[in-house]
Amino acid sequence: QQQVKQSPQSLIVQKGGISIINCAYENTAFDYFPWYQQFPGKGPALLIAIRPDVSEKKEGRFTISFNKSAKQFSLHIMDSQPGDSATYFCAATTGGATNKLIFGTGTLLAVQP
Amino acid sequence: GAVVSQHPSRVICKSGTSVKIECRSLDFQATTMFWYRQFPKQSLMLMATSNEGSKATYEQGVEKDKFLINHASLTLSTLTVTSAHPEDSSFYICSARTGTAYGYTFGSGTRLTVV
Repeated sequence: QQQVKQSPQSLIVQKGGISIINCAYENTAFDYFPWYQQFPGKGPALLIAIRPDVSEKKEGRFTISFNKSAKQFSLHIMDSQPGDSATYFCAATTGGATNKLIFGTGTLLAVQP
Repeated sequence: GAVVSQHPSRVICKSGTSVKIECRSLDFQATTMFWYRQFPKQSLMLMATSNEGSKATYEQGVEKDKFLINHASLTLSTLTVTSAHPEDSSFYICSARTGTAYGYTFGSGTRLTVV
């Protein structure tokens, strides 16, 4: 129940294309769903996050779509650029006192010029 | 914005020795810090949660006597890998909660290599 499943494991997209990464969860107590971007040898950096009371959130080229009934959420990267090549992790957490982040398995994105 | 500084960024140590990794919150007080371990091409696995002034809470399967965590102040948490072995070689990352319920900031990570 604490798992967050992420797919695909890797993704190759042409420059200017749309990158889509999907995540699914089981624990209905999760109430915050962030996405992180990680470059090799660096810590993850927050990209965008969503609460379950909204179905979509957009920040620049990055959009999260959230389907509460299906317990799924996805990251869309519009107009993908070579600089977006990185590993992306979805995550989830609860609002309780323990409040720890549970990470998905990660997606290695390569944007080809 | 909130900044978490982690040092060292890389460390190589001999098998059997101990290594300390520091995690500092530079512009905020972090009552809770988290330590993660990441193997190549894998996800971040939470090792332990540390609260200032109290004992750390370790995740199942993490040896508390091997991975010593100290959170003596609101801006500093340390992870000491004791009697390190080659299988402890990994990327260790700390994270601090910024005070809001959902604010997490990550350090830049420490690449530990045990030879």
